[in-house]
Amino acid sequence: DAKTTQPPSMDCAEGRAANLPCNHSTISGNEYVYWYRQIHSQGPQYIIHGLKNNETNEMASLIITEDRKSSTLILPHATLRDTAVYYCIVRVSQGDNDMRFGAGTRLTVKP
Amino acid sequence: DVKVTQSSRYLVKRTGEKVFLECVQDMDHENMFWYRQDPGLGLRLIYFSYDVKMKEKGDIPEGYSVSREKKERFSLILESASTNQTSMYLCASSTGGTYGYTFGSGTRLTVV
Repeated sequence: DAKTTQPPSMDCAEGRAANLPCNHSTISGNEYVYWYRQIHSQGPQYIIHGLKNNETNEMASLIITEDRKSSTLILPHATLRDTAVYYCIVRVSQGDNDMRFGAGTRLTVKP
Repeated sequence: DVKVTQSSRYLVKRTGEKVFLECVQDMDHENMFWYRQDPGLGLRLIYFSYDVKMKEKGDIPEGYSVSREKKERFSLILESASTNQTSMYLCASSTGGTYGYTFGSGTRLTVV
């Protein structure tokens, strides 16, 4: 069963914020939300993760709704190099070390 | 930065050959993983390992085996390669807990 639902594709203008949504309505209390991206012909790259608080790092921000049933990854100033497939994953941090990837969202940043 | 190195970027093998895909990580991670990625099917977990000499089946282990004799090295073995094993193979490692995975660049295997 899919734990997350993401739109298959999105476009974003260069320099604008890219907001990538993810639904995870069946998330459990001990499951974290992870985001990865995969640029063409490369391995996936870890971006960010969170449990219930919003998180920010040098790559992106993660906004998790209060009920934890959905989240949004925000790339504040998208560049052409951010064109990639973005994966949203939920998993338990302890005792479940296998990350399962869905189809993700193909983000295209346009000039 | 953690580095995960896969020995070959591209590989062409014949049907029936025994194929070894090697993966080495340099940050003393306990956990290592093998995935394959196919168009329309995404990444699928083949095998993973929590420790030296330990292995666990993932979602699609049939036709594959693995070896982890040293902590830094995790090998994927195709005992008798078949054309339906033509794919991109990705290795990853993690230190466990809440930390994310670090992936290698992948090996694109073609079985002819």
